[in-house]
Amino acid sequence: AQSVTQPDIHITVSEGASLELRCNYSYGATPYLFWYVQSPGQGLQLLLKYFSGDTLVQGIKGFEAEFKRSQSSFNLRKPSVHWSDAAEYFCAVGAGRSGGGADGLTFGKGTHLIIQP
Amino acid sequence: GAGVSQSPSNKVTEKGKDVELRCDPISGHTALYWYRQSLGQGLEFLIYFQGNSAPDKSGLPSDRFSAERTGGSVSTLTIQRTQQEDSAVYLCASSRPSGTQYFGPGTRLLVL
Repeated sequence: AQSVTQPDIHITVSEGASLELRCNYSYGATPYLFWYVQSPGQGLQLLLKYFSGDTLVQGIKGFEAEFKRSQSSFNLRKPSVHWSDAAEYFCAVGAGRSGGGADGLTFGKGTHLIIQP
Repeated sequence: GAGVSQSPSNKVTEKGKDVELRCDPISGHTALYWYRQSLGQGLEFLIYFQGNSAPDKSGLPSDRFSAERTGGSVSTLTIQRTQQEDSAVYLCASSRPSGTQYFGPGTRLLVL
């Protein structure tokens, strides 16, 4: 069965500092990988996704992620965080480009990002 | 509409009552998904519709849960005889057949 592990429940970063959120996955076939962000009381917003090709993918809000097959990882990075980046971040794996189909998306438990002034 | 909408945004009910949660997907999106987000379990996939058909209902937590979709559009998730462990945020998402899933704001359900 597929699974996603986000080892860090909480991360605190100073505003302007760099950020890396870790994600490890287990999937039997070619993984389709996603990062979503959830602000308080809001739904999930897609930051970026990886299907194939270039292993470094760019997303919205200045985020990027790197797919490393040998490490089964898909870590999210941002060079300089802003206070508005404080939110819950979810890594997900799924089948197909939408991560959909009959199995839906499998999400990690999430990482809560706190920004210090 | 502009995005996925869900109603109600909040629902408080008493244990043993039935509740209906509604999802209105983005116009033209043929695929629709229900997820549940709870403190203990995180985000869980519940069910997927392609058009009006749900090929696999095994993700629903128990036989008290049912879902339907009519006209290839609006979907309803029904929970019968609610229990306290049903308290969670229920999220709906929609997509084109091979497109990104767009999520609604969710319905926050509290069972007293």
